[in-house]
Amino acid sequence: NAGVTQTPKFQVLKTGQSMTLQCAQDMNHNSMYWYRQDPGMGLRLIYYSASEGTTDKGEVPNGYNVSRLNKREFSLRLESAAPSQTSVYFCASSEAPMGRELFFGEGSRLTVL
Amino acid sequence: RKEVEQDPGPFNVPEGATVAFNCTYSNSASQSFFWYRQDCRKEPKLLMSVYSSGNEDGRFTAQLNRASQYISLLIRDSKLSDSATYLCAVGFSGNTPLVFGKGTRLSVIA
Repeated sequence: NAGVTQTPKFQVLKTGQSMTLQCAQDMNHNSMYWYRQDPGMGLRLIYYSASEGTTDKGEVPNGYNVSRLNKREFSLRLESAAPSQTSVYFCASSEAPMGRELFFGEGSRLTVL
Repeated sequence: RKEVEQDPGPFNVPEGATVAFNCTYSNSASQSFFWYRQDCRKEPKLLMSVYSSGNEDGRFTAQLNRASQYISLLIRDSKLSDSATYLCAVGFSGNTPLVFGKGTRLSVIA
């Protein structure tokens, strides 16, 4: 079982470049999430999708966009990367309704120079 | 106002020791509670769900105290392999995402 798969696992960008982080889950979960994790800051929710066709802002949405492509896939886009977006990004999924346990992908380490 | 709070530690304990962590939450309507374990440079993984009656899994015991609004994690007979960061997560009422604490770091020393 793959669970939650994120790509790429590592990426280095220059300031101003754009990129998309991909996430796919094979657990037939309705809800999907994007978090970032920085030292001393814990997990901070960027965006989430309660179900296919819906997306909502989390705690730190500025500078990001998301697309819930279908039930399996939830992508995170950085339109113009900034050094402050250097972080580890985790995608997660859960059954509906939200509030149930989350299953995380292995993470994507992004460095913006 | 912090919704979910944890002592960041680090907790440095010798092998074989018993260690306990608490996690306080601010919303009395919270309905679901979890402990996650996160190893260095890895993703968080579910350790235990926390039920009203408490639950135990081997050396790990989780408890919920609704009156004082906290959950606890007790680790008995600590192993070197228990060294990790332990995150608590709380689900509030309504269809909203879990809220995570910042984690408590545990180091078990030989």
